Amino acid sequence: EAQVTQNPRYLITVTGKKLTVTCSQNMNHEYMSWYRQDPGLGLRQIYYSMNVEVTDKGDVPEGYKVSRKEKRNFPLILESPSPNQTSLYFCASSSHISGGKLFFGSGTQLSVL
Amino acid sequence: DQQVKQNSPSLSVQEGRISILNCDYTNSMFDYFLWYKKYPAEGPTFLISISSIKDKNEDGRFTVFLNKSAKHLSLHIVPSQPGDSAVYFCAPHGYGQNFVFGPGTRLSVLP
Repeated sequence: EAQVTQNPRYLITVTGKKLTVTCSQNMNHEYMSWYRQDPGLGLRQIYYSMNVEVTDKGDVPEGYKVSRKEKRNFPLILESPSPNQTSLYFCASSSHISGGKLFFGSGTQLSVL
Repeated sequence: DQQVKQNSPSLSVQEGRISILNCDYTNSMFDYFLWYKKYPAEGPTFLISISSIKDKNEDGRFTVFLNKSAKHLSLHIVPSQPGDSAVYFCAPHGYGQNFVFGPGTRLSVLP
């Protein structure tokens, strides 16, 4: 089954404790991206990757890191989480020839205390 | 600079009536125009799209209209059903470009 898999689904952590949210897709997509959703602010892009070893900042990259060493994986790293990073996070992937259709993961609800 | 605008943050419609969600964009390089639907605590899912060579695309109760000269598109839902209550995102896309989303419109269909 074609899918984007994010883990964990829920995560509670404390300020300053490094964490990684994993994202994997099985569709051989070139493009992958991370978004956060906050009440009243829609979907805001954090980072995106056009292909392996190619990453770029989105609208709200501060406090986040990403890497794209393999085509299928695109982990989101919070080196020193802060309470303002409490949010619902979504990973997405797409093939550029798909007419812009993005496939999203189920989301990761992160709470930073 | 906001490339995609959805000027109605929310919309309430009676069941059975038409819902019209609007989207305006600024980038003339967009080739495809997509709508995504999002329920709470779930990832967005693709709903319907239209390419820049067309001005209308229909899929069941959902129709998307594109006016390229005005850089405007709209999503029509007829008839609206309570299960259509969700946040709808307009998402234009150009080949090889980053993906962008509008801020979303929350649709509430009242029984």
